[in-house]
Parts: sequence; structure tokens; C-alpha cells
Amino acid sequence: GQQVMQIPQYQHVQEGEDFTTYCNSSTTLSNIQWYKQRPGGHPVFLIQLVKSGEVKKQKRLTFQFGEAKKNSSLHITATQTTDVGTYFCAGPGGSQGNLIFGKGTKLSVKP
Amino acid sequence: NAGVTQTPKFQVLKTGQSMTLQCAQDMNHNSMYWYRQDPGMGLRLIYYSASEGTTDKGEVPNGYNVSRLNKREFSLRLESAAPSQTSVYFCASSEYLAYGYTFGSGTRLTVV
Repeated sequence: GQQVMQIPQYQHVQEGEDFTTYCNSSTTLSNIQWYKQRPGGHPVFLIQLVKSGEVKKQKRLTFQFGEAKKNSSLHITATQTTDVGTYFCAGPGGSQGNLIFGKGTKLSVKP
Repeated sequence: NAGVTQTPKFQVLKTGQSMTLQCAQDMNHNSMYWYRQDPGMGLRLIYYSASEGTTDKGEVPNGYNVSRLNKREFSLRLESAAPSQTSVYFCASSEYLAYGYTFGSGTRLTVV
């Protein structure tokens, strides 16, 4: 079945360093979504990318959707302690088109 | 505007006991979902309801049942709890299937 894979599984950075997480799908996606889950919290929707090659920015976060619509990345510039959490990508799939989530990248930031 | 409300927030059950996790959304969303989250396993879909009146199995439905009571409410029932069902359960909703989920704050369930 369809799979959505994320790397790395964990990332430890010093505050101020950049961070990137990558997402790869086994099939072409109609869109890719990104979520953030703070420790002890629930996933929160960040953004949806739809177009091939699309790039969107939210302050220090930059999201990209690959040309083939099978991969995506999230880049955080100059990380802050508030960026700590797990970042999930997700794409429509499954037998009925519901979202398939990657296993997430857990980011820790050392002050 | 509360979004997605889940109750209870914490629960401890003995093996074999039953319980129902409640979920309600006030955003007039069509689709609702139940996920479980275990360390290293990510978010796994248990059941979902694409629209009022329909329910479908997800990736890990065994041991669970659901009811879409109305457009707002989607409950998850454990008929005979097992230690393997110890997990954090999240309810979510979206305007349409697979479109920008809003998650509830979760239920931490321990089965002993």
C-alpha cells in the first residue's frame, strides 16, 4: 500500500541552527500537508501544498513540494526553542483517500 | 469556538472493561476520524467517517467500534479493553475527506 516516509526520525540542533525534514511518498500526491505536534500536545495543521514545485513560507518556515509531487521538505531557519516538537507530513491515500501520515521528525533545540 | 472536544482526557481501565471515548466538533465539518498514537508508530487511523451516516475501517480497527451519532459527534468504543490498547487517542475532523485536519487534545488511555 501507499507509504509516506520521513527522514530523519530525530534531529538535535543548537538554537540558531537551521533544520530540514524530508518527506517521500511511494505514489504521486494530489497535495501534501504538514502538521506540528508540541510535546504532550496534539497535531496542529500548518500548511497544505498543492502545485508541483510549490514553495510557501511562514515566517522562518519554508515548505516545498517536489516537481514530481512525490516529495516535500520543511526547512526552519535559525531555530528557536519554540520550534521544539514533532513535524509530520501527510498525503491523501488509503483505500478511501484519507490522509496517510509519515512517522514524523522529532526536533529538539538546545538553548 | 472550541474546535474538537474529546472526553475524557485521561482514563485507566482494567483488562476486559469497556468504555466509550467521546468526540464533538463545532466547525460544521463533514469528516471525522479516530487515530491512535504510540511511540515510534506515528499516527495510525482506527476508523473514520467521511460524512454523516457513513463509517469505514482504517489501518487498525480490530477491538474498536465507532458511531457517527450526528454531524457533530463521533464516538469510539472499546468493548473489551486489552493492554495493547494502551495509547493516546486523537479525534480529528475536516471539512472534506483528507483536507486539513483539526485535532482534539487527545485521551491518554492506560489498560492494566
